[in-house]
Amino acid sequence: NAGVTQTPKFQVLKTGQSMTLQCAQDMNHEYMSWYRQDPGMGLRLIHYSVGAGITDQGEVPNGYNVSRSTTEDFPLRLLSAAPSQTSVYFCASKRLAGGETQYFGPGTRLLVL
Amino acid sequence: QQQVKQSPQSLIVQKGGISIINCAYENTAFDYFPWYQQFPGKGPALLIAIRPDVSEKKEGRFTISFNKSAKQFSLHIMDSQPGDSATYFCAASLSLNNAGNMLTFGGGTRLMVKP
Repeated sequence: NAGVTQTPKFQVLKTGQSMTLQCAQDMNHEYMSWYRQDPGMGLRLIHYSVGAGITDQGEVPNGYNVSRSTTEDFPLRLLSAAPSQTSVYFCASKRLAGGETQYFGPGTRLLVL
Repeated sequence: QQQVKQSPQSLIVQKGGISIINCAYENTAFDYFPWYQQFPGKGPALLIAIRPDVSEKKEGRFTISFNKSAKQFSLHIMDSQPGDSATYFCAASLSLNNAGNMLTFGGGTRLMVKP
């Protein structure tokens, strides 16, 4: 099993550009989520999904969109990048029933100029 | 408003010493308290976790102490080793009906264990 994979590893954007951060998991987990990690702030939940076709907002959803068309994939879209979105983004997944452990991907480092 | 506060932000410990990281939470509905360990360039990985009906949980050199009345919990790393040097995050989870747990993280502690 590859676990949770994320692409790209690093990206530089200009203000106003759009992009999609990819996340995939091969563990058949129902629950997937996106976090951003900023110094001193820990990880903050952006969006999450409990299954295909179901998504919901987390703590810091503004400026981000998600969709969940399959169990495996959970892409995060930045519609119009802003410097405040410079961060490290982590995708995570877990089982819903009886699953406490969240498995994190290796992260995507995003720099918005 | 940060619901889980973690201290210290950084910690330097000599090899063989005890590392102690503290967390405090506000929401009494939290029912699951994990600690995650993160090495540079990697995603966080679950280290150890506790539920509020238990006051202590030990796994090898790692121990969580939980004080429900004070709304505090801490991670103790006994016999700290240079390989323990990493960033540690405490977290708290609020179970949502049929929707899984939403994790709220503390700000993180960067631990350095000197040889």
